[in-house]
Amino acid sequence: DAKTTQPNSMESNEEEPVHLPCNHSTISGTDYIHWYRQLPSQGPEYVIHGLTSNVNNRMASLAIAEDRKSSTLILHRATLRDAAVYYCILTSGGSNYKLTFGKGTLLTVNP
Amino acid sequence: DAGVIQSPRHEVTEMGQEVTLRCKPISGHDYLFWYRQTMMRGLELLIYFNNNVPIDDSGMPEDRFSAKMPNASFSTLKIQPSEPRDSAVYFCASSFDRNAFFGQGTRLTVV
Repeated sequence: DAKTTQPNSMESNEEEPVHLPCNHSTISGTDYIHWYRQLPSQGPEYVIHGLTSNVNNRMASLAIAEDRKSSTLILHRATLRDAAVYYCILTSGGSNYKLTFGKGTLLTVNP
Repeated sequence: DAGVIQSPRHEVTEMGQEVTLRCKPISGHDYLFWYRQTMMRGLELLIYFNNNVPIDDSGMPEDRFSAKMPNASFSTLKIQPSEPRDSAVYFCASSFDRNAFFGQGTRLTVV
């Protein structure tokens, strides 16, 4: 399975944009890029996913590098409620896919 | 829909006892995942099903663990006999179209 590399932790200030990086240099052509987050004492929560093109939804934006070897999750205006562990995950493009979590990035949002 | 429903939310049991965790996925979802989360090991994928069929159980730690999905609306994770090192939060998730939803988890304590 292709691996992802994320910083252990990041800090941001409230109401400022946050760019969370993820490296996946061994990604295959059919792998999807997913982002989940886990707030304290809760189960993980889907944020966004994409294949090749950049994606936007109400929670965040996903920017995928042209060579697909890296991606960035963008939170446009961080709030205190965005403090969580953010996981970048690759899944194969086949009909059966494993959703395997790594260590993620702990995002701290300062007021 | 009420989301993924797990029961019980908390379970305290004595070493050697059988423990059964239950999960009701979201209606219409075709994938179901079981995870275990501890501080030391993070979020580990134990097993996942596609259309009620187990696809990959390589994450199941030992023969003491077993999981079933008798129909599309119900799954169980059983530990027999339980040991103190099984203490963890166990999450169930269901997915459709690569968007997984997690339950609130079952906190298991084996004393």
